[in-house]
Amino acid sequence: DVVMTQSPLSLPVTLGQPASISCRSSQSLVYSDGNTFLNWFQQRPGQSPRRLIYKVSNRDSGVPDRFSGSGSGTDFTLKISRVEAEDVGVYYCMQATHWPPYTFGQGTKLEIK
Amino acid sequence: EVQLVESGGGLVQPGGSLRLSCVVSGFTFSSYSMNWVRQAPGKGLEWVSYIDSISSSIFYADSVKGRFTISRDNAKNSLFLQMNSLRAEDTAVYYCAIGADVAYWGQGTLVTVSS
Repeated sequence: DVVMTQSPLSLPVTLGQPASISCRSSQSLVYSDGNTFLNWFQQRPGQSPRRLIYKVSNRDSGVPDRFSGSGSGTDFTLKISRVEAEDVGVYYCMQATHWPPYTFGQGTKLEIK
Repeated sequence: EVQLVESGGGLVQPGGSLRLSCVVSGFTFSSYSMNWVRQAPGKGLEWVSYIDSISSSIFYADSVKGRFTISRDNAKNSLFLQMNSLRAEDTAVYYCAIGADVAYWGQGTLVTVSS
């Protein structure tokens, strides 16, 4: 199974400041068709997960443009340009290239300093 | 608007069974594959099972293989998870999610396995 490793696991951020979360996979996530199936999810306290980014860098509908995804191969990053209070929660990366099983990172808890 | 509503969770003794349901609306259910994903209390996300749009491809996590059965009824826009031989480690919120890219999730239903 592909192991997804996120860092940091805890991320205190000042309002208005940028934030960055790293996700590394144990093998390349490039599929045979050239696509890379790496998603990012946000889970606010008490809510179900919401997909933010799909295929590395594509924002889902309604996701603010302060969220961006980048990376390739085995190294990926989720960036928030200016953190807002509503961004508090846990962020997960997930790979859907080598499945089954889909595998998730451990989660990164973003909190406001 | 896409909506997924899970139900069927509850308290069950070890070794018992439960059947979860997920009713969906706002999209053409019969055209999409579906997944179950779970989250143990205070823990991360774990994929459980996948079914394609016509029930021809089905996969399970090793942790539930042989005990859980995924199914769907396209006429009723419904997804199911039959859970047998439940263990304490199956305690979690169970979410249904749309598509191979897991785009939309329901609000989840809590399953507690305890004596």
